[in-house]
Amino acid sequence: DVVMTQTPPSLSVAIGQSVSISCKSSQSLVYSDGKTYLHWLLQSPGRSPKRLIYQVSNLGSGVPDRFSGTGSQKDFTLKINRVEAEDLGVYYCAQTTHFPPTFGSGTKLEIK
Amino acid sequence: AVQLVESGGGLVQPKESLKISCTVSGLTFSNAAIYWVRQAPGKGLEWVARIRTKPNNYATYYADSVKSRFTISRDDSKSMVYLQMDNLKTEDTAMYYCTAGSTTGWFTYWGQGTLVTVSS
Repeated sequence: DVVMTQTPPSLSVAIGQSVSISCKSSQSLVYSDGKTYLHWLLQSPGRSPKRLIYQVSNLGSGVPDRFSGTGSQKDFTLKINRVEAEDLGVYYCAQTTHFPPTFGSGTKLEIK
Repeated sequence: AVQLVESGGGLVQPKESLKISCTVSGLTFSNAAIYWVRQAPGKGLEWVARIRTKPNNYATYYADSVKSRFTISRDDSKSMVYLQMDNLKTEDTAMYYCTAGSTTGWFTYWGQGTLVTVSS
């Protein structure tokens, strides 16, 4: 199975600051169709996950453009500009390029 | 708005069976691949099963951890997906989320989850 390694495991930021979360995969996530199926999800406290970004850099419906995703092959980053209180929770990367789909272990974002 | 509502969770003993359901509304259900993802208490996300659409012969896929014990199915006439769980183990204890795909790919929409507890 593809192992997804997220860092850091947790971080604490002040409102208005920017943060980045790293996700590295044990194999390239480029599929045979040329696309890269790497996604980012947010699980707010007590809530179900929500997909923020799909295919590395595409914002999901209704997701603020403070969120952005970059990366290629095996190395990906989620950046949040101007963090807001509602951004707290656990962020997961996920790959659906290879079977079975796998998730990172999560990065917990806390607000200072 | 798209809604996924899971139901049927509960407390069962090891080796028992349980069937959980997911009712979907707000999208063309017959066109959507559906997945089950679970989350053990205090842990991360684990993909469990997937069922594709009629044009894809309702193909099903399972995580190794549940293969031969769990069965995913769907009823397009009712916009419902089911997960039949047999020979349950304590390590199957988790919140089970139903999630639907879309033209933008996997895990687009999520339900609120249903809790399955396996304990003697």
